Amino acid sequence: GAVVSQHPSWVICKSGTSVKIECRSLDFQATTMFWYRQFPKQSLMLMATSNEGSKATYEQGVEKDKFLINHASLTLSTLTVTSAHPEDSSFYICSATGQGALTDTQYFGPGTRLTVL
Amino acid sequence: RKEVEQDPGPFNVPEGATVAFNCTYSNSASQSFFWYRQDCRKEPKLLMSVYSSGNEDGRFTAQLNRASQYISLLIRDSKLSDSATYLCVVNIKAAGNKLTFGGGTRVLVKP
Repeated sequence: GAVVSQHPSWVICKSGTSVKIECRSLDFQATTMFWYRQFPKQSLMLMATSNEGSKATYEQGVEKDKFLINHASLTLSTLTVTSAHPEDSSFYICSATGQGALTDTQYFGPGTRLTVL
Repeated sequence: RKEVEQDPGPFNVPEGATVAFNCTYSNSASQSFFWYRQDCRKEPKLLMSVYSSGNEDGRFTAQLNRASQYISLLIRDSKLSDSATYLCVVNIKAAGNKLTFGGGTRVLVKP
């Protein structure tokens, strides 16, 4: 149980385009979803926290107008990288927590590798 | 100062040997502690939670020292498959249940 999927697993796009990444909880209701970014040889950095039906809370230094997060249902959150540039190339990982016994553990998706040319 | 600090390694470990490494955290309000394992180009996977009394899971032993604000992980009888980056993670529930990751310690187990 507690499986999180991400789509796509990798994407290559041209500079200036927008890319949408989906994060889904497959077998539980995700009350909170987290979006992370990981650059090569660095650790995961939290970008934002989103609760279903609410606006996302962004970490300091993360542009909310560039990284649009939507958490419209208890099983789906999306991250849209708008007007992507090469410096946005990174590994984007989502995680989710549920209710009850699933509250204290974050379950990670497999990640999406974004390359902006 | 980083909130969670780790020796990046790599720790080169002969197969069958024991390896141990620490992680320090700066926020005394940290409440939950974890070790995650991350393989190259993959997502982190939970290895074990860390409890105040120390806990063991097979060949892995984790210890927490709240007074000195450090966590340790010990791997006994290392296997080739233990080669990975080990991430120290702390959770401050008062900060919205957010996880803060250390930079990771790379372990390479060699035959």
